[in-house]
Amino acid sequence: EAGVTQSPTHLIKTRGQQATLRCSPISGHTSVYWYQQALGLGLQFLLWYDEGEERNRGNFPPRFSGRQFPNYSSELNVNALELEDSALYLCASSLGTSGEETQYFGPGTRLLVL
Amino acid sequence: GDSVTQMEGPVTLSEEAFLTINCTYTATGYPSLFWYVQYPGEGLQLLLKATKADDKGSNKGFEATYRKETTSFHLEKGSVQVSDSAVYFCALTEGYSTLTFGKGTMLLVSP
Repeated sequence: EAGVTQSPTHLIKTRGQQATLRCSPISGHTSVYWYQQALGLGLQFLLWYDEGEERNRGNFPPRFSGRQFPNYSSELNVNALELEDSALYLCASSLGTSGEETQYFGPGTRLLVL
Repeated sequence: GDSVTQMEGPVTLSEEAFLTINCTYTATGYPSLFWYVQYPGEGLQLLLKATKADDKGSNKGFEATYRKETTSFHLEKGSVQVSDSAVYFCALTEGYSTLTFGKGTMLLVSP
């Protein structure tokens, strides 16, 4: 069974640009979570989607947004990129509110803002 | 709010040494507890979990016991290998919610 997949693996942008990151959950999983792992800041929760709805949001500005599609895949959009947005962005999926809560992570997208 | 505290690293050990990485938590309810591992340049992998008090999670020789009385979930391994070198994260979740992570502990194992 395929795990969580993310694309692209690496992304280089300049300040002010927009970045779009994609995530495909494990088959059968309805919940998708996004986390940011920036150097020195640890893992911080960004967004949680379940059944197409945004369920929770971390302490990030509105220029971080996303959506979940009918096939449960998800996009994370970061507008007006700033240098400090450089980080590893991790997506995780779980069965959602219908089952086991364990989150399984993808390999991440490494975003570099120049 | 919920929080997780891990011992600071790096933890440096020789191959075949005994490993303990301490983890304590604060939660309002009855969380599920997890250990994730991150190898260099990779994402997070679930190592083990425990969902209720006195549960023991185990995988690949690693073990951790959910201790409600001490709010702890310490990770142990009897004999580490060089391939265990990685960053280990303790985490919790309360129900169907987001994960709260500790800051991570880097483990370096030398031959």
